[in-house]
Amino acid sequence: AQSVTQPDIHITVSEGASLELRCNYSYGATPYLFWYVQSPGQGLQLLLKYFSGDTLVQGIKGFEAEFKRSQSSFNLRKPSVHWSDAAEYFCAVGAQDNRKLIWGLGTSLAVNP
Amino acid sequence: EPEVTQTPSHQVTQMGQEVILRCVPISNHLYFYWYRQILGQKVEFLVSFYNNEISEKSEIFDDQFSVERPDGSNFTLKIRSTKLEDSAMYFCASREGTGGLYGYTFGSGTRLTVV
Repeated sequence: AQSVTQPDIHITVSEGASLELRCNYSYGATPYLFWYVQSPGQGLQLLLKYFSGDTLVQGIKGFEAEFKRSQSSFNLRKPSVHWSDAAEYFCAVGAQDNRKLIWGLGTSLAVNP
Repeated sequence: EPEVTQTPSHQVTQMGQEVILRCVPISNHLYFYWYRQILGQKVEFLVSFYNNEISEKSEIFDDQFSVERPDGSNFTLKIRSTKLEDSAMYFCASREGTGGLYGYTFGSGTRLTVV
């Protein structure tokens, strides 16, 4: 079955610390992978996506993610977290025709000053 | 930057009432979607729409739901007779095309509360 797992429901980091949010997927076909961020009262904003090529993708706001096929993972990273990064982060996977996305449960990130 | 606009941002309705959630996708986008997120649960796909017809729908999207693109700009989701379990955040999304080059642009969502 197609699924996305974000093992960490809630993470708290200190401002300036590094961050890694985990995402594992189960998908029969070659996946397209996405990370979205949702700030309180806001919509879902695309951080980055992977569909082919270099397995390390750069996104907005200083985020990057690495696709590891052997581990079925697409973890999101940021070297130095800012207080404004506090939000809900969602990993999603889609088929090559991308008619729909399958979502993880999300990881809520809190940033301590 | 172009945006997907959803109205209203919040709606409270009584059980059994009809609601229409409205979305204005990005003007040159061709593919339209509705997703919903029940509090504490995953974002779930409801329906996709292309060329004035439904491309795909989920099991959630039963006869109580319908979508329309009435005037070439708006994209609406109608729930005919709301149930308590329809309470959720509803997201509209649009895409210029399919394939990896095209990401989804989401609106800010409509929070629907059925009482």
